[in-house]
Amino acid sequence: IAGITQAPTSQILAAGRRMTLRCTQDMRHNAMYWYRQDLGLGLRLIHYSNTAGTTGKGEVPDGYSVSRANTDDFPLTLASAVPSQTSVYFCASSDSIGSGRFKGTQYFGPGTRLTVL
Amino acid sequence: AQSVSQHNHHVILSEAASLELGCNYSYGGTVNLFWYVQYPGQHLQLLLKYFSGDPLVKGIKGFEAEFIKSKFSFNLRKPSVQWSDTAEYFCAVIPGPGNTPLVFGKGTRLSVIA
Repeated sequence: IAGITQAPTSQILAAGRRMTLRCTQDMRHNAMYWYRQDLGLGLRLIHYSNTAGTTGKGEVPDGYSVSRANTDDFPLTLASAVPSQTSVYFCASSDSIGSGRFKGTQYFGPGTRLTVL
Repeated sequence: AQSVSQHNHHVILSEAASLELGCNYSYGGTVNLFWYVQYPGQHLQLLLKYFSGDPLVKGIKGFEAEFIKSKFSFNLRKPSVQWSDTAEYFCAVIPGPGNTPLVFGKGTRLSVIA
């Protein structure tokens, strides 16, 4: 079982370009998340999805979009990259138990290091 | 907005010293609490979690944390740190019921020197 995979591992991108970061999980978890990690700021939630077909905005959603066409995949798209989006991006997933309360632990992918020049 | 505060940005300890990392959260209702660790160059891994029951939670690698509801705290402890504990530690909270994502603290970097 791979858990969560992310691609690419790292990327250098010119400002203004479009970029999609891929995330796939094989644990059949309902919920998936995208975070960015920046020095001194910890992890900040960009977007999340409680279940396939639904998405929600996190703390820092501007400049990013997501889709959740199926349970396993949760791609993050930067429509027109800017240097402030230089960061390490982590995808995560968790299961829900019972009436939807997320008692499940979040599991993280290995991350994508993105540099926007 | 819900928040999670980690009091120390960077902690430096000698091997065998005791560790306590502070974590406070702002949500007043029922919470689920987590500590994650990120070793250099790696992704986040779960150290321990609290959902209910005994407020003293034991995790992997000799770590434990105590949930004190009256203080809105979930401090992480280890009696004797090792060089291999050098990492960044994140406290996180699921505030309340429903489909609520984790809220992370900004992290505490621990450096253990031999």
